[in-house]
Amino acid sequence: AQTVTQSQPEMSVQEAETVTLSCTYDTSENNYYLFWYKQPPSRQMILVIRQEAYKQQNATENRFSVNFQKAAKSFSLKISDSQLGDTAMYFCAFMKGNNFNKFYFGSGTKLNVKP
Amino acid sequence: DAGVTQSPTHLIKTRGQQVTLRCSPISGHKSVSWYQQVLGQGPQFIFQYYEKEERGRGNFPDRFSARQFPNYSSELNVNALLLGDSALYLCASSLSSGAQNTGELFFGEGSRLTVL
Repeated sequence: AQTVTQSQPEMSVQEAETVTLSCTYDTSENNYYLFWYKQPPSRQMILVIRQEAYKQQNATENRFSVNFQKAAKSFSLKISDSQLGDTAMYFCAFMKGNNFNKFYFGSGTKLNVKP
Repeated sequence: DAGVTQSPTHLIKTRGQQVTLRCSPISGHKSVSWYQQVLGQGPQFIFQYYEKEERGRGNFPDRFSARQFPNYSSELNVNALLLGDSALYLCASSLSSGAQNTGELFFGEGSRLTVL
């Protein structure tokens, strides 16, 4: 079975600063994908960033980047130049490469960006 | 373009009743998944349908059932409601399944079910 753990229930960061959200996972699979999804208050969840396990290079999307440590089964999200609109719940998620959209989500980290 | 739409957005039921939640995927998306998100937790996988066939089922009792229609819309049914079924039910669609699937899910805003 796959498990995803987010050990930080809530974090705060000042606007324009950098914050890192932690995620660890457990799997015996070799082919899988990892994701960070953002869920703003009362709005739908949207994809922030995706990492294929077979790629050694860390994914980046503008101000968002990940630190993927496959051996340690760690997948952290770094948000640079934090903006007020980044305030949201952030979920780390795991998907097996052949398992048709069955995601395993962590419990989430609530990020508050303060002005 | 319309995103994933779900209805109803909010509903209140009493224990023992039955509920049907509906989802329309993004146009062109053939895969629909359902997730249950209990307050304070991450979403948990319930079902996935692709081309009208069930492709995956999570650890939920048989009281939960779903189907996908020829237009790729989907319904989630929950019978004999329990207090613990109170949650946000999320529908997500994606373009494809299998080898072409790189996993991005497009979520609706959810149906918030309260069981009294």
